[in-house]
Amino acid sequence: NAGVTQTPKFQVLKTGQSMTLQCAQDMNHEYMSWYRQDPGMGLRLIHYSVGAGITDQGEVPNGYNVSRSTTEDFPLRLLSAAPSQTSVYFCASSYSGTVLSEQYFGPGTRLTVT
Amino acid sequence: AQTVTQSQPEMSVQEAETVTLSCTYDTSESNYYLFWYKQPPSRQMILVIRQEAYKQQNATENRFSVNFQKAAKSFSLKISDSQLGDTAMYFCAFISPPNSGNTPLVFGKGTRLSVIA
Repeated sequence: NAGVTQTPKFQVLKTGQSMTLQCAQDMNHEYMSWYRQDPGMGLRLIHYSVGAGITDQGEVPNGYNVSRSTTEDFPLRLLSAAPSQTSVYFCASSYSGTVLSEQYFGPGTRLTVT
Repeated sequence: AQTVTQSQPEMSVQEAETVTLSCTYDTSESNYYLFWYKQPPSRQMILVIRQEAYKQQNATENRFSVNFQKAAKSFSLKISDSQLGDTAMYFCAFISPPNSGNTPLVFGKGTRLSVIA
């Protein structure tokens, strides 16, 4: 198993550009989520999904869109990047849709918006 | 809303000594899970230990153990026989039940632990 994979590992965007951060897992996990990590702020939940076709907002959803068309993939879209979105982004998945289980994290994507 | 507080931004410990990292949380839920995650310089998030709120017995994983005080809403992590490889950021995390209306997973801001030779 590859576990949770994220691409790209690093990305630099200009303000106003759009891009999609990719996340995939091969563990047949129902629950997937996106976090951002900023210095001194810990990890904050952006969006999450409890199964294909179901998504919901987390703590900091503004400026981000998600969709879950398959169990394996959970892309995060930035429609118009802003410097405030400079951060490290983590995707995670867990076994059951109840979320009461261990989160498996991807390696992260470092995004810089200039 | 659930909150998780880690009051120690940085800590250091001598190799082979014992260190305790603090975590408190606030919730009105009675059923939830608590986790400690480790993030070494590689940036990878690694689960250290988990505790189910309905279990009174404190969880233990090798050199790592927790002191779970449900009434006080406290969940501290004790690392015994500290090793250089324990140097990392440690995050306390709280998961509330599904359909509770709360953000399902909340992290504290982290404690940076340095193990000194």
